[in-house]
Amino acid sequence: QKEVEQNSGPLSVPEGAIASLNCTYSDRGSQSFFWYRQYSGKSPELIMFIYSNGDKEDGRFTAQLNKASQYVSLLIRDSQPSDSATYLCAVTPLNTGFQKLVFGTGTRLLVSP
Amino acid sequence: DGGITQSPKYLFRKEGQNVTLSCEQNLNHDAMYWYRQDPGQGLRLIYYSQIVNDFQKGDIAEGYSVSREKKESFPLTVTSAQKNPTAFYLCASSIGGTANTEAFFGQGTRLTVV
Repeated sequence: QKEVEQNSGPLSVPEGAIASLNCTYSDRGSQSFFWYRQYSGKSPELIMFIYSNGDKEDGRFTAQLNKASQYVSLLIRDSQPSDSATYLCAVTPLNTGFQKLVFGTGTRLLVSP
Repeated sequence: DGGITQSPKYLFRKEGQNVTLSCEQNLNHDAMYWYRQDPGQGLRLIYYSQIVNDFQKGDIAEGYSVSREKKESFPLTVTSAQKNPTAFYLCASSIGGTANTEAFFGQGTRLTVV
């Protein structure tokens, strides 16, 4: 079982719709959860982080964490073509002493005009 | 401006050659990381360091070496023992010391074996 799993996609949504990106993790003791956006050929940039169960909103982005289900998601409201990118989920697992940042393989999002 | 600087942006290596990728940060971060990304793949951890003069192997350390002599610098050497080094290399840093710190990335170095 991979430590962090994401559906590779592509996830296709029309402009203005809500995009829902999902991530599951294997280490129940994981403490910190991050979402990065990566445009083709570029380095990842941090979009959001979440540490506690529940929702965290920042502009058009909402991160949702459910530690009991070992599940973290990212919602993008009013999706724009400029949101088309690969979204990487990252986790700091307990079994590494929280010293490692482990990434999923990413979900490619395509927003069509 | 604070940030993480990787150099060079593009690097070409001949078979059997060692090359060193530079990573410098002026964010006063304790922790630094090296990742490798292959086309269509996620990021795989090569090495990481939480403090100066200390570093640990990540998941794919074979064929790579690092040093952490200064807080600001974490160079990665790709040795001839790395049989398939062509990839996008990413350096990151975080405040460290606790799990709840986000990591920030440099612009990456694209290494190609010729």
